[in-house]
Amino acid sequence: DQQVKQNSPSLSVQEGRISILNCDYTNSMFDYFLWYKKYPAEGPTFLISISSIKDKNEDGRFTVFLNKSAKHLSLHIVPSQPGDSAVYFCAASPTTSGTYKYIFGTGTRLKVLA
Amino acid sequence: NAGVMQNPRHLVRRRGQEARLRCSPMKGHSHVYWYRQLPEEGLKFMVYLQKENIIDESGMPKERFSAEFPKEGPSILRIQQVVRGDSAAYFCASSPPPRPSEQYFGPGTRLTVT
Repeated sequence: DQQVKQNSPSLSVQEGRISILNCDYTNSMFDYFLWYKKYPAEGPTFLISISSIKDKNEDGRFTVFLNKSAKHLSLHIVPSQPGDSAVYFCAASPTTSGTYKYIFGTGTRLKVLA
Repeated sequence: NAGVMQNPRHLVRRRGQEARLRCSPMKGHSHVYWYRQLPEEGLKFMVYLQKENIIDESGMPKERFSAEFPKEGPSILRIQQVVRGDSAAYFCASSPPPRPSEQYFGPGTRLTVT
């Protein structure tokens, strides 16, 4: 039962262009969403988050969009840089249910080509 | 401010032995989470603890696995009688009150069962 899905296992983008990573979820109890970046042999690093009361959050080159009716979120990286090459995980949390656990997607491997 | 620390970084155990994984949260953080990442998969929630309390253990296997976060000292994830299927990367995260939804991850412990 995969409650958070990242249907694209990999994505290649040219340096300087926009990277768009997608994530779908099924559980209506999720009210907080995050994106993490992960390099091999390291722990996930927090990138950006969004609460369900918003539909957009921006931080520098990173923007997260949330479409609650479609149960879909996306991460936009612009412009993409070679150092952005990593595995990106989206995560969702049902914070109002009293637990703050994250449910992760399976990840999308982004490769930014110089 | 030191980040989340985990040790050991690599642990090799033979089938039937016990594995103990340690996690020291960031200073001032009182919430700890354990996640497991199997090869080619996303991170799966295991357990959420506060000092001396297990808040949510819905992701813990029913047998052989236990976790604690004592009043003093690190959080411990204990796996008794390890089997090959326990081989994975185990990540600990911590979060600060009053924003338990912001989780910061450690570098992980890679457990190999031979």
